[in-house]
Amino acid sequence: AQSVTQLDSQVPVFEEAPVELRCNYSSSVSVYLFWYVQYPNQGLQLLLKYLSGSTLVKGINGFEAEFNKSQTSFHLRKPSVHISDTAEYFCAVSDPTGNQFYFGTGTSLTVIP
Amino acid sequence: EPEVTQTPSHQVTQMGQEVILRCVPISNHLYFYWYRQILGQKVEFLVSFYNNEISEKSEIFDDQFSVERPDGSNFTLKIRSTKLEDSAMYFCASSRTGNYGYTFGSGTRLTVV
Repeated sequence: AQSVTQLDSQVPVFEEAPVELRCNYSSSVSVYLFWYVQYPNQGLQLLLKYLSGSTLVKGINGFEAEFNKSQTSFHLRKPSVHISDTAEYFCAVSDPTGNQFYFGTGTSLTVIP
Repeated sequence: EPEVTQTPSHQVTQMGQEVILRCVPISNHLYFYWYRQILGQKVEFLVSFYNNEISEKSEIFDDQFSVERPDGSNFTLKIRSTKLEDSAMYFCASSRTGNYGYTFGSGTRLTVV
C-alpha cells in the first residue's frame, strides 16, 4: 500500500518570499505523484504531476516539484509567493493502475502581506 | 476547460434520511471516483467505478453507500441512512485513463443534523 506524509501542517510565509512544502511517500511499487491545491470553499485543482521522465516537474501558477526517489520525496516549491497562493496544498500518490489516490493530510499555506 | 460538475454544492439532511449526491463527469472520461473530506482531515478515497461496475472501494464504503451511473452522463453517490459522521465534503472525480491525475469537482458539502 502507499502512504503520504506532509511534514508541515501550516506554513506561513511573507509575500514574494520562496516557499517549500514537503512531501514524503512510501510505496513498495513505482508510483505516480501529484500536488493538488484547494482554495477556500473550492474543489481540488491539479497543480502538477510526476509520471516518469525528468524529475523536475513544472506546474501551474509558477509551482514546481522535484521527485527524489532515493529520499522518497516530492517537495513543492515556488520562488516567490503571492497573496493568492494562500490555500491548502495536498500531496497525493497513486500506484500505476491509478485506481486509488492516497492523500496527505494537507499543508495550509498562508501568505502574509 | 472541461469540468466535473457536482450538485448540490451544499446539502443539509436529517439523520437517517437518504441522500443522493450528483456528479456529471467530463464527457470522454471512463473512470469515476468519489472521495470525501471530513472537516480538518485528509481527503479519503471512497470508491472507483469503471465499465459500469465498482472497481475498488475503501473500508468507509460500507453497505450504506452505493454508486450508480444511471445514464450516459451522471454519476451518483447514495447514502441510504445518513449518520452524523457522514457530514463531510464529498468530491467526485473523473479520469480518461485512470492514471494521469483526476479532475475533481468542486464538491458537495453534506451536513447531517
